[in-house]
Amino acid sequence: GAVVSQHPSWVICKSGTSVKIECRSLDFQATTMFWYRQFPKQSLMLMATSNEGSKATYEQGVEKDKFLINHASLTLSTLTVTSAHPEDSSFYICSARWGQGFGNTEAFFGQGTRLTVV
Amino acid sequence: QKEVEQDPGPLSVPEGAIVSLNCTYSNSAFQYFMWYRQYSRKGPELLMYTYSSGNKEDGRFTAQVDKSSKYISLFIRDSQPSDSATYLCAMNRIGANSKLTFGKGITLSVRP
Repeated sequence: GAVVSQHPSWVICKSGTSVKIECRSLDFQATTMFWYRQFPKQSLMLMATSNEGSKATYEQGVEKDKFLINHASLTLSTLTVTSAHPEDSSFYICSARWGQGFGNTEAFFGQGTRLTVV
Repeated sequence: QKEVEQDPGPLSVPEGAIVSLNCTYSNSAFQYFMWYRQYSRKGPELLMYTYSSGNKEDGRFTAQVDKSSKYISLFIRDSQPSDSATYLCAMNRIGANSKLTFGKGITLSVRP
């Protein structure tokens, strides 16, 4: 199957600093990328949807100024957590989809990034 | 009522058992139904997907969709310790930029 690479796999940062997470589709062009957040023993919560070359669409309750998403190319999307605080500590996962045909059935997930803010 | 409900678990079975995992949903517009497997501290991996009602089999895994009852299932035959993971159901509608709606996930443990 297609490969989505997410980097870093884990990061620890100080409160008030910013952290950038990268999501790359390695062997296909991702027209759409999704960013999720997952708390322990909870399901995935969609944060935003981004299409290459356009602004991301954020889900209700997600602060767009805090979670900056850039999808500058068909193989790379980045999520920047700005001025991180301990409550932002979570598992962040991206997924990438090619085409628009069959819903999200061809979405492939990255391995996730565990963010810890101290 | 949540759009997708999944049995909360956790679930523990002996090796070789048949496992049945289930989800119900409320939105009749859902047409695509997926099962993902997620190992601890990893991203989800797509196991099975089905369009509309019916069954789909892949090795030891069978996915069933009953749209009339708004009920989907994943069966695992001859379960193995390596099947121990969290299983998430997900579904979405037809259309560009349609978004997945996930169940909460159920953690399965297969005892050797």
